[in-house]
Amino acid sequence: SSELTQDPAVSVALGQTVRITCQGDSLRSYYASWYQQKPGQAPALVMYGHNNRPSGIPDRFSGSNSGNTASLSITGAQTEDEADYYCYSRDRSGDHFVFGSGTKVTVL
Amino acid sequence: QVQLQESGPGLVKPSETLSLTCIVSGASISSHYWTWIRQPPGKGLEYIGYIYDSERTNYSPSLRSRVTISMNMSKNHFSLILSSVTAADTAVYYCVRTLDASYKYAMDVWGRGTTVTVSS
Repeated sequence: SSELTQDPAVSVALGQTVRITCQGDSLRSYYASWYQQKPGQAPALVMYGHNNRPSGIPDRFSGSNSGNTASLSITGAQTEDEADYYCYSRDRSGDHFVFGSGTKVTVL
Repeated sequence: QVQLQESGPGLVKPSETLSLTCIVSGASISSHYWTWIRQPPGKGLEYIGYIYDSERTNYSPSLRSRVTISMNMSKNHFSLILSSVTAADTAVYYCVRTLDASYKYAMDVWGRGTTVTVSS
């Protein structure tokens, strides 16, 4: 099992808000980054550090951290946000990196 | 515009060695970290390892005994070697530019990925 735990799937109504969580002991010490992957495509960075969005990522994406949990929120979800989302951070040792198990977001 | 392109054989026999190269354009590999990620069919992403500063490497503990990542500064590319492959190594392999600690090692530019199948 992954050291970073994510819910396998979540759904959200069009225009509503969804929060994707990532839990792990290492997140008490290290930030996560978040990646969006659409079918047949390479992943893309959507969030890193303390709520930092790369250029071109809509501001409906936001990040937060609390204790052992990192979260990615989509406020006003759009159909194009339907994708798999992966968190990424250090492992428990702090010496290496790991991905979360991934969350499939469905926009209804 | 930074672009990464993976290249290498799409089919490798069990017990043999997988070798991939990532050609980088629009940036010098002397800067940043350079990472390999893979994704088995229908599964999630897996960190393989990274290289920076020419020869400083970090490998996933689960793959460390079989993995080597290297850089060729003159050709501006970096490479992945994975030895003694099995069917479990069948995956899409991505090369990725990774930002430094001030950006929390975020991976900001990805190659399109190359599919490697391990089969006799």
